[in-house]
Amino acid sequence: QKEVEQDPGPLSVPEGAIVSLNCTYSNSAFQYFMWYRQYSRKGPELLMYTYSSGNKEDGRFTAQVDKSSKYISLFIRDSQPSDSATYLCAMASGGSYKLIFGSGTRLLVRP
Amino acid sequence: GAVVSQHPSRVICKSGTSVKIECRSLDFQATTMFWYRQFPKQSLMLMATSNEGSKATYEQGVEKDKFLINHASLTLSTLTVTSAHPEDSSFYICSAAGQGEAYEQYFGPGTRLTVT
Repeated sequence: QKEVEQDPGPLSVPEGAIVSLNCTYSNSAFQYFMWYRQYSRKGPELLMYTYSSGNKEDGRFTAQVDKSSKYISLFIRDSQPSDSATYLCAMASGGSYKLIFGSGTRLLVRP
Repeated sequence: GAVVSQHPSRVICKSGTSVKIECRSLDFQATTMFWYRQFPKQSLMLMATSNEGSKATYEQGVEKDKFLINHASLTLSTLTVTSAHPEDSSFYICSAAGQGEAYEQYFGPGTRLTVT
């Protein structure tokens, strides 16, 4: 079993839709949770960074962490075609800077 | 802020030769830099972690003599792929941490290596 599971998609939505992306994990030591966006043949771009449980909002993006369920989510409101990319979740435990990545979900926002 | 550059963006080399990839943090001091490789449609796999002025820490299964890492300054780390073989062809990405929390890693644009 992988430490971090993420549905590879692709996930296809119409422009303006609310997108929900999710990851589950098995290691209860994870305390730091990140979401990255990666365009084809580019390096990942940090979107959201969350410590422990709770919600964090930044513009159209909301990250949620539920440590009791070992489940994290990224919501994208008013999705745009430019949001089409692969979204990677990543996690780390306290004391180690090593990020464990999910396999990524490919998102396609149709105009 | 938090810009990381990589050079070259793309390189083709012949089997048996060595290739050096540079990773620079442009607007912050990176106390820790990381090197990843990514195969098509797969996630990032950490190869090694380097701290400025000390030896890199390699992940299990990564040959330290083949993938030489030097973190000479707080803004520069290099990865040298020695005696490259076609199976080393991949997308190599560096990241840097040092601005804010160390868990906030900022990635470079990646280097596509093709070994013929």
